[in-house]
Amino acid sequence: NAGVTQTPKFRILKIGQSMTLQCAQDMNHNYMYWYRQDPGMGLKLIYYSVGAGITDKGEVPNGYNVSRSTTEDFPLRLELAAPSQTSVYFCASSTEGPLQPQHFGDGTRLSIL
Amino acid sequence: RKEVEQDPGPFNVPEGATVAFNCTYSNSASQSFFWYRQDCRKEPKLLMSVYSSGNEDGRFTAQLNRASQYISLLIRDSKLSDSATYLCVVNGGKKIIFGKGTRLHILP
Repeated sequence: NAGVTQTPKFRILKIGQSMTLQCAQDMNHNYMYWYRQDPGMGLKLIYYSVGAGITDKGEVPNGYNVSRSTTEDFPLRLELAAPSQTSVYFCASSTEGPLQPQHFGDGTRLSIL
Repeated sequence: RKEVEQDPGPFNVPEGATVAFNCTYSNSASQSFFWYRQDCRKEPKLLMSVYSSGNEDGRFTAQLNRASQYISLLIRDSKLSDSATYLCVVNGGKKIIFGKGTRLHILP
């Protein structure tokens, strides 16, 4: 089983560039999440989605956008990359809501130079 | 009080020993609790859910103390492979809070 798949695994961007981090899950989970994790810090929720066509902001949404056109895919878009967005990004999914455990992808390491 | 708080460690423990760490939370209405394990430069992986009556999975025991608002994780007969960062996760309604984690080093 693939579970949650994230691409790319690594990326270096220049300030001001844009990119999309891809996330796909094959478990038919309704809920999907995007987190960022800075060194020595806990995970911070960027955006989440409760189903296709529905997204909502998390704790740190500024500088990011998401869409959820299908149950499987939940891409995260950075429009104007800034050094403060250097981080490890994790996508996760769960069956029903935050009361259920989450399954994580193996992350995207992003550096903005 | 922070929403979720963990001792960052590191806890340096000899192989075979028992180790325990706690996680405190501030929202008394929190409804579900989990322990995740995160290896260096890897994604978090669910270790176990924490139930009100306490629960055990092999060498791991999780407990919830609602009165004092903390959860705990006990690891018995620790193995070298238990070296990792342990994250507590507290969910209350729509909000999911990850602790910063407790680093555990098992020493040979």
